[in-house]
Amino acid sequence: EAQVTQNPRYLITVTGKKLTVTCSQNMNHEYMSWYRQDPGLGLRQIYYSMNVEVTDKGDVPEGYKVSRKEKRNFPLILESPSPNQTSLYFCATSPRGSYNYGYTFGSGTRLTVV
Amino acid sequence: DQQVKQNSPSLSVQEGRISILNCDYTNSMFDYFLWYKKYPAEGPTFLISISSIKDKNEDGRFTVFLNKSAKHLSLHIVPSQPGDSAVYFCAASRLKMNRDDKIIFGKGTRLHILP
Repeated sequence: EAQVTQNPRYLITVTGKKLTVTCSQNMNHEYMSWYRQDPGLGLRQIYYSMNVEVTDKGDVPEGYKVSRKEKRNFPLILESPSPNQTSLYFCATSPRGSYNYGYTFGSGTRLTVV
Repeated sequence: DQQVKQNSPSLSVQEGRISILNCDYTNSMFDYFLWYKKYPAEGPTFLISISSIKDKNEDGRFTVFLNKSAKHLSLHIVPSQPGDSAVYFCAASRLKMNRDDKIIFGKGTRLHILP
């Protein structure tokens, strides 16, 4: 079954404690991206990756890091989380041909930073 | 600057009636438009799309209309069912994507289907 898997689904952590949210896909998609969803702000892109070892900043990259060492994985790293990073996070993937195929989203990770 | 705008944060519609969700965009380079549906505790799922060479695309109960001159699109759901209660995101992009192209999302409209 084609899927995008995020872990964990829920996480409560304290300010400053480094954490990683994992994203894995089994569809051989080149393009992977992280979004955060906040009330009244919709979906905002954090980082994206066109392919292995290629990553770029999205609209709200501050406080986040990513890496793309393998095609299937695209972890989101919060080196020193702060309460304003409390949000619902989604990983999204897409085959990156010349045509737009839309995104497949993971089920989300609800992060609370206290 | 919001390139994709959904001006109604929420909408309530009686079961069996038509639901109309609206979306406006500002970037005339957009030529591909998508609607995603999102239930609580789940990721958004693709619903329907339309390219700018068409002004209408139908898939079962869902129809998307595109008015290029007005830079406006709408999603019609007929008839509305309880399972349609969800948040709907409008999104816009280019059909042929270059490296820096991406899909831009609106803020979403929460649709409530009333019994």
